[in-house]
Amino acid sequence: RKEVEQDPGPFNVPEGATVAFNCTYSNSASQSFFWYRQDCRKEPKLLMSVYSSGNEDGRFTAQLNRASQYISLLIRDSKLSDSATYLCVVNKGGGADGLTFGKGTHLIIQP
Amino acid sequence: DVKVTQSSRYLVKRTGEKVFLECVQDMDHENMFWYRQDPGLGLRLIYFSYDVKMKEKGDIPEGYSVSREKKERFSLILESASTNQTSMYLCASSSGGDGNQPQHFGDGTRLSIL
Repeated sequence: RKEVEQDPGPFNVPEGATVAFNCTYSNSASQSFFWYRQDCRKEPKLLMSVYSSGNEDGRFTAQLNRASQYISLLIRDSKLSDSATYLCVVNKGGGADGLTFGKGTHLIIQP
Repeated sequence: DVKVTQSSRYLVKRTGEKVFLECVQDMDHENMFWYRQDPGLGLRLIYFSYDVKMKEKGDIPEGYSVSREKKERFSLILESASTNQTSMYLCASSSGGDGNQPQHFGDGTRLSIL
């Protein structure tokens, strides 16, 4: 099983719709989880951390399911500017070498 | 806001050259990282450092070395550049010693080896 697995997409979604991505991870010792956003030819940027209780930031909601080892990202009322690649990121469970990045899910919001 | 600055956005070098990529962060972060990103392969860790003068190999260190003489600066060196090292190179930094903190990235360097 890959360390972090995401559906690469692309997800083509009409503007205003709700879209959700899942990501699975293999290391049960992982403690920290994040979603990053990466625009074409740009660097990844932290979108939000994912907490055990779930957390919300405006139109974005992140959930963690430790039992099934997956995290999710929900985007409500999608905007054209949400078009990007979303990277699921999980820590390696110890040590300073930090994080494992998924290959990303490509989202295209259509007018 | 964390600022991670990479010395060049675009760089073109020739096969066999020694290439230096520089990265500076301004947040007194302990950890610094070098990745390369290629289509379909995602981000791959080359080297990282958790303290001054300390370095650890990542997943793909072959053909690369690094230097961290000061806390704020982490350099990636291509000893003898080859065409398969054409890629987007990303530097990142993070705080703390447990690897649990998010990483903050520089703008990236698009390196072409001819």
